Amino acid sequence: EVQLVESGGGLVQPGGSLRLSCAASGFTFSSYSMNWVRQAPGKGLEWVSYISSSSSTIYYADSVKGRFTISRDNAKNSLYLQMNSLRDEDTAVYYCARGPPAAIVSWFDPWGQGTLVTVSS
Amino acid sequence: EIVLTQSPGTLSLSPGERATLSCRASQSVSSSYLAWYQQKPGQAPRLLIYGASSRATGIPDRFSGSGSGTDFTLTISRLEPEDFAVYYCQQYGSSPRVTFGPGTKVDIK
Repeated sequence: EVQLVESGGGLVQPGGSLRLSCAASGFTFSSYSMNWVRQAPGKGLEWVSYISSSSSTIYYADSVKGRFTISRDNAKNSLYLQMNSLRDEDTAVYYCARGPPAAIVSWFDPWGQGTLVTVSS
Repeated sequence: EIVLTQSPGTLSLSPGERATLSCRASQSVSSSYLAWYQQKPGQAPRLLIYGASSRATGIPDRFSGSGSGTDFTLTISRLEPEDFAVYYCQQYGSSPRVTFGPGTKVDIK
């Protein structure tokens, strides 16, 4: 069974940092692109970042560029999101989501259960 | 950036009825690169449709997608109790600048 499990969320003050992790299982992790997508409480979905299967291509949404860093460790079947200079508007549930093997951001399937990040003083 | 508009905001229907959800793009979505997702309260989204009309693995055939250019439709032929949820469309034709619509809530009448 394909499974994605996020961790690392929590309460952080504005300007602080947090590192999210996503553990993948049930598929050949190194063959697929991966993404982070977030959802503010009671709001819609916003794509955050993409990383290709080999880490050769990385993209960010304008709203997080320069503050967030996506990375992966194919040997550990893990995806990461380092979040720095956090703002109130970064408060959201963060989902990791698998993309197809192609080197573009496309559809997302499946998604993890999400981890809540709350930025507040 | 391609802006997606979904209508209606809320659709109130009874089990067994047909649901028709609309997603309109501010500019043409190239190659019909449009997906639909279902999200239930407290759960992650689930992919239903990609490429405007291709069903994802394990999705029942009562779900169908159609459309091209700027107008897309998700149809649920006969609503089952488990289909009451929020539905989002997403375009990836302008990758990497992918965007989601605001969602349509399908609730029980």
